Amino acid sequence: QVQLVESGGGLVKPGGSLRLSCAASGFSFSDSSMSWIRQTPGKRLESVSYISRSGDTIFYADSVKGRFTISRDNAKNSLYLQINSLRDEDTAVYYCAWDVRTRGFFDYWGQGTLVTVSS
Amino acid sequence: EVVMTQSPATLSVSPGERATLSCRASQSVSSNLAWYQQKPGQAPRLLIHGASTRATGIPARFSGSGSGTDFTLTISSLQSEDFAVYYCQQYNNWPPRGTFGQGTKVEIK
Repeated sequence: QVQLVESGGGLVKPGGSLRLSCAASGFSFSDSSMSWIRQTPGKRLESVSYISRSGDTIFYADSVKGRFTISRDNAKNSLYLQINSLRDEDTAVYYCAWDVRTRGFFDYWGQGTLVTVSS
Repeated sequence: EVVMTQSPATLSVSPGERATLSCRASQSVSSNLAWYQQKPGQAPRLLIHGASTRATGIPARFSGSGSGTDFTLTISSLQSEDFAVYYCQQYNNWPPRGTFGQGTKVEIK
């Protein structure tokens, strides 16, 4: 069955960095576009970043552009999110999600990894 | 950016009753609208896409309707497991811009 398992979250000071990972299994990862979505403590959902199956098309939300970098390793069935220059407002649960039909809605989500930015 | 507004914020319903949730887009999103259910401590689960197509395994008591700017999620007869938060999401200009509503909490009356 499809599994998406995030890791790498934690407590970090403002200005710090983290690298989030998502291990995918149960589907053809290399044929799939992937996304990172975050949910704030207020429960607001925001699509943070998107990467095409080959990695040649990448998008970011305006709120993270220039600070976050999405990447993937198809040989390892893994998705990554490098998050730099962290701000208080980046505190959230970060989910990786699979959009099966590459239409923009998310059929499968991981369990999420919590990033807390606090001094 | 397309702003999605859900109403009401909280809906109190008795088990077995019908629940009707609304989602409005600030501009037309055609039928590019999805609904998700989220229970405490869990990730969102896809219920509906294309405004009215149930995702795999979703019970028939869940139905979606609407197009353009106004959408509705109806739960025909609420079961105990349906008490949760429901989000709508437009994906009309995806990638990259897919925006979510702020959610409607369906609670036991």
